[in-house]
Amino acid sequence: EVQLVESGGGLVQPGGSLRLSCAASGFTFSNYWMTWVREAPGKRLEWVANINHDGSEKYHADSVKGRFTISRDNVENSLYLQMNSLRAEDTAVYYCARDRGVSLWGRGTLVTVSS
Amino acid sequence: DIVMTQTPLSSPVTLGQPASISCRSSQSLLHSDGNTYLSWLQRRPGQPPRLLIYKISNRFSGVPDRFSGSGAGTDFTLEISRVEAEDVGVYYCVQATQFPLVTFGQGTKLEIK
Repeated sequence: EVQLVESGGGLVQPGGSLRLSCAASGFTFSNYWMTWVREAPGKRLEWVANINHDGSEKYHADSVKGRFTISRDNVENSLYLQMNSLRAEDTAVYYCARDRGVSLWGRGTLVTVSS
Repeated sequence: DIVMTQTPLSSPVTLGQPASISCRSSQSLLHSDGNTYLSWLQRRPGQPPRLLIYKISNRFSGVPDRFSGSGAGTDFTLEISRVEAEDVGVYYCVQATQFPLVTFGQGTKLEIK
């Protein structure tokens, strides 16, 4: 089955860190750009970061630049998001999505930043 | 950044009747490569988003032909020819012309009258 499954979310204090994972299956992961998108309560979907096929190109939204890092492991068919210096405004459901056209989405993982 | 604006934000429709959602971008979505990277997503209650339409009017794999997309430049439309109960959910337009920056509309809630 073609799918993406996120994990790693949870409750973290402001200033803390989390590492999100996204496991891909059913397609040739290494052929695709991959993207992280988040949805904060009451706000629209927001692009967070994306990475090219082999990980040599990475782009991050200004709102997370310097704090979040996207990476991938094409052997493990996995996408990651390392999130440091977390803030309350990073509270959201985080989705991984496939390619430029966001053609496949996972179910998301909830990150709550609160003391 | 390109801002995507959808109208209406809520659309009550009768089963079997058509529905239409508009999306306007703050600048042209025509890419220098000749493509227009405007897509439509559907999110049913409790489900992740699902791609319906890409590059304005191309239906993604498995999408029923009652869904169609049209438009050019800055103005785009998603149409459902005959709404079915399973179409209830939130619909989003999304631009990837400015890739790697991708931006989304605020969503339109489709509900049955």
